[in-house]
Amino acid sequence: GAGVSQSPRYKVAKRGQDVALRCDPISGHVSLFWYQQALGQGPEFLTYFQNEAQLDKSGLPSDRFFAERPEGSVSTLKIQRTQQEDSAVYLCATEVGNTIYFGEGSWLTVV
Amino acid sequence: QKEVEQNSGPLSVPEGAIASLNCTYSDRGSQSFFWYRQYSGKSPELIMFIYSNGDKEDGRFTAQLNKASQYVSLLIRDSQPSDSATYLCAEGGGGADGLTFGKGTHLIIQP
Repeated sequence: GAGVSQSPRYKVAKRGQDVALRCDPISGHVSLFWYQQALGQGPEFLTYFQNEAQLDKSGLPSDRFFAERPEGSVSTLKIQRTQQEDSAVYLCATEVGNTIYFGEGSWLTVV
Repeated sequence: QKEVEQNSGPLSVPEGAIASLNCTYSDRGSQSFFWYRQYSGKSPELIMFIYSNGDKEDGRFTAQLNKASQYVSLLIRDSQPSDSATYLCAEGGGGADGLTFGKGTHLIIQP
């Protein structure tokens, strides 16, 4: 959707391991969102960037979660010391007009 | 805290019939509403958005919005097996607000 690429598509991490998830939107997309979707749930807002500025990080569930977008293009969501409850799909999204379009998602399983 | 409520289903509808999906929201000030379709193992895909009271039609899909009742619905006419998916209702104001999603309704179209 809207040319948002995410990697890795699938990641299995051992509990306690750090992971980094990458989002690469089409050049020029100002707004970038990260959402977390647990099994059987709707996506839940994590954080929002406007260019390189992180304007809202109220949805990050703990201080183990960190997101950055240093040059206003590619964004990375980092999860430190992963726990089983972090298992979810992590969706990156951009906004075109007033509409949000999602990338394919990064499926994280913590074992 | 904004909330969006959906019946999780599953909702089973025979092929060729009309599928009716419903959603209620808590924030009376909400202006924009979205329906996303999500196939198993895939990311959400935008189907329709609606901003004004009344009906909005796009092919076999009709979105209905009643702001007084804080109620949004999606009708799918001539349901096809390929319509079997989870349908996510969301509300949002754009920009940093992002979207608030319901948990989704699992729709099954029976051949």
